[in-house]
Amino acid sequence: SYELTQPPSLSVSPGQTATITCSGDYLGDKFASWFQKKPGQSPVLVIYQGYKRPSGIPERFSGSSSGNTATLTISGTQSIDEGDYYCQAWDSSAWVFGGGTKLTVL
Amino acid sequence: QEQLVESGGGVVKPGGSLRLSCAASGFTFSDYLMNWIRQGPGKGLEWVAQINNRGTITSYADSVKGRFTISRDKAKNSLSLQMSSLRAEDTAVYYCAREVAGIAVAGNYYYMDVWGIGTTVTVSS
Repeated sequence: SYELTQPPSLSVSPGQTATITCSGDYLGDKFASWFQKKPGQSPVLVIYQGYKRPSGIPERFSGSSSGNTATLTISGTQSIDEGDYYCQAWDSSAWVFGGGTKLTVL
Repeated sequence: QEQLVESGGGVVKPGGSLRLSCAASGFTFSDYLMNWIRQGPGKGLEWVAQINNRGTITSYADSVKGRFTISRDKAKNSLSLQMSSLRAEDTAVYYCAREVAGIAVAGNYYYMDVWGIGTTVTVSS
């Protein structure tokens, strides 16, 4: 079955750039999505089709992909960006989520 | 305002059954595929099931295949998940999510853009 691999955790200082990667076979061809998940809240779509931002998502969130890797970049990270981030892709009639990356803004 | 509201969660014994519902409003329900996704305690997001906009095609995660059934009611703008033979590992918050599907130059694309608030299912004796 298809797998997406993310680093379990990432720590950045406020104002720094956070880069979260997601790896999977031919992921660059699969239009990955990214979700932000905070405790007690529903997941929020922050990137779709690999690089597009839904309305209401700040410009500091951006996405890219190439080869087997999709990347979520948060520029000028703020404390409100703390949370878990999940990549997602569709493969062989099933949705697959990465294991999630816990972003800490210290 | 596009909204999804889940209901039906609760505590059930192993081997028992439960039916979850998801009420959709603020958009044309029959235009979209729909999904169920869950998050167990201390775990990540896990996709559970998908149904196409007409309710004719379904897909399931291997972990629930044969035990869960997804369905939709166009007249009621409602999505359902019938869960049977429940196990402790099915304990989770269950979310319904709307799926957008389209065609781009580079190929077909899909994403989940609207999520419900979730309903909690606890399987315990």
